[in-house]
Amino acid sequence: QITLKESGPTLVKPTQTLTLTCTFSGFSLSTSGVGVGWIRQPPGKALEWLALIYWDDDKRYSPSLKSRLTITKDTSKNQVVLTMTNMDPVDTATYYCAHRVTTGGFDCWGQGTLVTVSS
Amino acid sequence: DIQMTQSPSTLSASVGDRVTITCRASQSISIWLAWYRQKPGKAPELLIYQASALQGGVPSRFSGSGSGTEFTLTISSLQPDDFATYYCQHYHSSPYTFGRGTNLEIK
Repeated sequence: QITLKESGPTLVKPTQTLTLTCTFSGFSLSTSGVGVGWIRQPPGKALEWLALIYWDDDKRYSPSLKSRLTITKDTSKNQVVLTMTNMDPVDTATYYCAHRVTTGGFDCWGQGTLVTVSS
Repeated sequence: DIQMTQSPSTLSASVGDRVTITCRASQSISIWLAWYRQKPGKAPELLIYQASALQGGVPSRFSGSGSGTEFTLTISSLQPDDFATYYCQHYHSSPYTFGRGTNLEIK
């Protein structure tokens, strides 16, 4: 059974850097074809794809946020970390991590973590 | 970047109805499309991948079709659990964008 869980601060100040950790179980991020992605959703709005890291350390980012995002993995700890710099109130959202299957799509999601950006 | 346009943005229907949601890609994505259902306050659930393949455990009333730039999600007989928001997402090439969602509400 695959599970994922996001952790990190619930409140950050404008201009600060957000660091979120996705801790997962039930799969290995060293298995060919596997990926872990981050997706966010502002309150009442649509899903927004942010970043994805593959088993071979290939990394993909949303072009509009690429300068602010870094995604890394620690295979031994079964964790994926997303950092987002220069946080702004418009970045207030629920942030999800999700498991990407080899056939495409995200088949398992974390519960999400609400991050509020406010001074 | 490939843009995904969903329609309608809101759909009103009743239990037992057959409904169809459309997703159009700004360029061809072959069959690299997924559909999700998101219930209020919950994470999305994968329903369909590769445009028409039913994810394990998903009821057979859900079906997907299409290729290239036009795709549909059909629910053959709406159940109370299906009143939610639906999203399409392509995974042809990065960035793997989502559509803006279709809110399926009770008539």
